[in-house]
Amino acid sequence: GAGVSQSPSNKVTEKGKDVELRCDPISGHTALYWYRQSLGQGLEFLIYFQGNSAPDKSGLPSDRFSAERTGGSVSTLTIQRTQQEDSAVYLCASSATHNPYNEQFFGPGTRLTVL
Amino acid sequence: ILNVEQSPQSLHVQEGDSTNFTCSFPSSNFYALHWYRWETAKSPEALFVMTLNGDEKKKGRISATLNTKEGYSYLYIKGSQPEDSATYLCARYNNNDMRFGAGTRLTVKP
Repeated sequence: GAGVSQSPSNKVTEKGKDVELRCDPISGHTALYWYRQSLGQGLEFLIYFQGNSAPDKSGLPSDRFSAERTGGSVSTLTIQRTQQEDSAVYLCASSATHNPYNEQFFGPGTRLTVL
Repeated sequence: ILNVEQSPQSLHVQEGDSTNFTCSFPSSNFYALHWYRWETAKSPEALFVMTLNGDEKKKGRISATLNTKEGYSYLYIKGSQPEDSATYLCARYNNNDMRFGAGTRLTVKP
């Protein structure tokens, strides 16, 4: 079946603009995760959803970041008033449910460049 | 150890060599440790999910061990091949997040 998809694959934006990144998880997966990888850094956890609910938003880097998931499927990560330090690869992953024993399946990522 | 740490940061080996690298993590409140392989221009792909102290898992030429009491896991690759070239990530599952190490970048020269 289809894997995790993300769009756009690349996004170049100007500082101060808002961007919206989309993740389409594997069908039937109730858990969805957002990560980012900044240049030279490891994968940084941002937020996860179990169904439509995000129990802990403390991993989001600032209040300019928000995420939502509706219908238990597609999720969007929105960055308002983008800054240059937001430039990174944003990865989405899904798993059958949110528990320690389930592997996560990653999408191809969105490369965000803020000029 | 507060964070997940991996060593070495990078590794160059010749085809046919066996190699191993380390993932260190906080041992308290342990749930699970995940290993992923991330090839250039591809998505990270799960290798192993390890939960029990003393666990050993194997997939082809790749195997991993887990010590939850001292907080480390080893990943072994036997007879490295050029297609094994990738960044190998470990991640400790916390209650509400996954804490990744920075990865070990492996390059296997033909």
